[in-house]
Amino acid sequence: EAGVAQSPRYKIIEKRQSVAFWCNPISGHATLYWYQQILGQGPKLLIQFQNNGVVDDSQLPKDRFSAERLKGVDSTLKIQPAKLEDSAVYLCASSLPFLRDSTEAFFGQGTRLTVV
Amino acid sequence: KQEVTQIPAALSVPEGENLVLNCSFTDSAIYNLQWFRQDPGKGLTSLLLIQSSQREQTSGRLNASLDKSSGRSTLYIAASQPGDSATYLCAGRYNFNKFYFGSGTKLNVKP
Repeated sequence: EAGVAQSPRYKIIEKRQSVAFWCNPISGHATLYWYQQILGQGPKLLIQFQNNGVVDDSQLPKDRFSAERLKGVDSTLKIQPAKLEDSAVYLCASSLPFLRDSTEAFFGQGTRLTVV
Repeated sequence: KQEVTQIPAALSVPEGENLVLNCSFTDSAIYNLQWFRQDPGKGLTSLLLIQSSQREQTSGRLNASLDKSSGRSTLYIAASQPGDSATYLCAGRYNFNKFYFGSGTKLNVKP
């Protein structure tokens, strides 16, 4: 079974530029998450999708961040314009949509963003 | 509000030592708890998942326990090795399929 795919792995941009990250979840996983992880901290949820609908985007800075999930499969996360404090690892995760005891989350390798 | 806390934030031990990492959560209405490993700059690798109906899970040298009533989970690593050096994160799964993470314990196993 293929895992969660993310690209790019690394990105360096100047502040005020824009950047986009891509995620392809595990086949059949209707739930997709984007997390931001700042160095030394735990991951913070930015947005959660169920198929192509948004379940929770309460912590997404909507003035600069946007996300979409195309046809309920792949997803892109965009930052425009970037700020220095956006430097972090951006993690994509997916899981089955059923809230059962055994439902597990699977993570991609992440995209490390550095804003200079 | 669900909060997950991990103690200690960092731990340094000599090779071969047994160790325990702690995770506590405020909301006992947890569906399951996952322990992850994270190497520097990388994604999260799932180590163990404990369902709410279970008390512990084992994989190799790792053993994780879950006590819903006290709001605690522990990850026990036996006979630690330098290759175990990484950050260990716990995450509780709650209603609406949401995960809440602790801030992690950074482990350093010295040869």
